[in-house]
Amino acid sequence: AQSVSQHNHHVILSEAASLELGCNYSYGGTVNLFWYVQYPGQHLQLLLKYFSGDPLVKGIKGFEAEFIKSKFSFNLRKPSVQWSDTAEYFCAVSGGSYIPTFGRGTSLIVHP
Amino acid sequence: NAGVTQTPKFRVLKTGQSMTLLCAQDMNHEYMYWYRQDPGMGLRLIHYSVGEGTTAKGEVPDGYNVSRLKKQNFLLGLESAAPSQTSVYFCASTRRIDRAGQPQHFGDGTRLSIL
Repeated sequence: AQSVSQHNHHVILSEAASLELGCNYSYGGTVNLFWYVQYPGQHLQLLLKYFSGDPLVKGIKGFEAEFIKSKFSFNLRKPSVQWSDTAEYFCAVSGGSYIPTFGRGTSLIVHP
Repeated sequence: NAGVTQTPKFRVLKTGQSMTLLCAQDMNHEYMYWYRQDPGMGLRLIHYSVGEGTTAKGEVPDGYNVSRLKKQNFLLGLESAAPSQTSVYFCASTRRIDRAGQPQHFGDGTRLSIL
């Protein structure tokens, strides 16, 4: 069975600070990895995904994530956050069944 | 395109009442999913469907039933609502499942309160 762990449940930053959200998964085979964002009152939207190739994936709005296979990690980063990045962020993994499993989410608050 | 549309957006029920949540997608997607989102719990899969006429249980299926009679629609039913089913329900769809890792497209959610 696959599982996802997001270590940071709540993160509070000031604008222009750098962001890194941790995501670790457990699955023994080939995986597809995703980061989704949910802005207040909205549905989940895809930020970026990894399925093969370059382990450094660039997504929308300046976000990127690095897949480190040896560490079973897929951490999300942004060099300089904005107030508009305030949202909940979810990491998801799909393995052999191709049915995604979501982490519990990280709530990010960015102060102007 | 409308994408994934959920109806209703809000609903308040009394314990023991029944209701059906409707999810419709216009992207000709094969896979459809129902999740519930609770604070601190992330998204938990209730049921999913890999095609018209098929359904399968997810992580938290108890108390829910689903049907996929048409490819574009995926219905979630609560036969006898309980307060523990108070949640925000999201529907999602995926074009197909393959090695390329198709992302999910989500609806706007249904906020359901059971009194």
